[in-house]
Amino acid sequence: DVKVTQSSRYLVKRTGEKVFLECVQDMDHENMFWYRQDPGLGLRLIYFSYDVKMKEKGDIPEGYSVSREKKERFSLILESASTNQTSMYLCASSTHEKLFFGSGTQLSVL
Amino acid sequence: AQKVTQAQTEISVVEKEDVTLDCVYETRDTTYYLFWYKQPPSGELVFLIRRNSFDEQNEISGRYSWNFQKSTSSFNFTITASQVVDSAVYFCALIPNTGGFKTIFGAGTRLFVKA
Repeated sequence: DVKVTQSSRYLVKRTGEKVFLECVQDMDHENMFWYRQDPGLGLRLIYFSYDVKMKEKGDIPEGYSVSREKKERFSLILESASTNQTSMYLCASSTHEKLFFGSGTQLSVL
Repeated sequence: AQKVTQAQTEISVVEKEDVTLDCVYETRDTTYYLFWYKQPPSGELVFLIRRNSFDEQNEISGRYSWNFQKSTSSFNFTITASQVVDSAVYFCALIPNTGGFKTIFGAGTRLFVKA
């Protein structure tokens, strides 16, 4: 069964901390994505990657960075977490036909 | 502008009722792809359907059906004889041809199906 795995389901961090959200896919997909989901706003794209070591900004990249050192792993980094980054973070990988999502990480920044 | 609008924030129905979730999209591209995803309470979005812009044929899969109309830029989703297990957030999404593989999502419609 194909799988996108996010390392944490729930995470609580303090303002100013550096936060790493990890995502691993086992489908050998080239494309990977990070979204955040907020009520009433749907899913908004933060960053995406078409290949190893490649990254592209999405619609809301400010305050975030990413790393893709291996094809299967795509990490989202909050350099200095702020309360407005409290959200559900969803990782996905894709074929040309559809997205496969992880279960999400609910991040709370206090 | 490339945009997906789901005007219904929440819908509540009683089991066995039919329900239609609306989706209106905007794109200047002539080639594009439309999707519906389901997000159950567990949180993981699940793919339901993909249609390309050249295929306006409606589709039925069990109790689910989709009505794609280019003339009104709509891609509506109907659940017939709804069940409690249909309770979820449903997202309509768009990939324009010029957008690479970026998927544009609507805000989602939360469906409550009461027993």
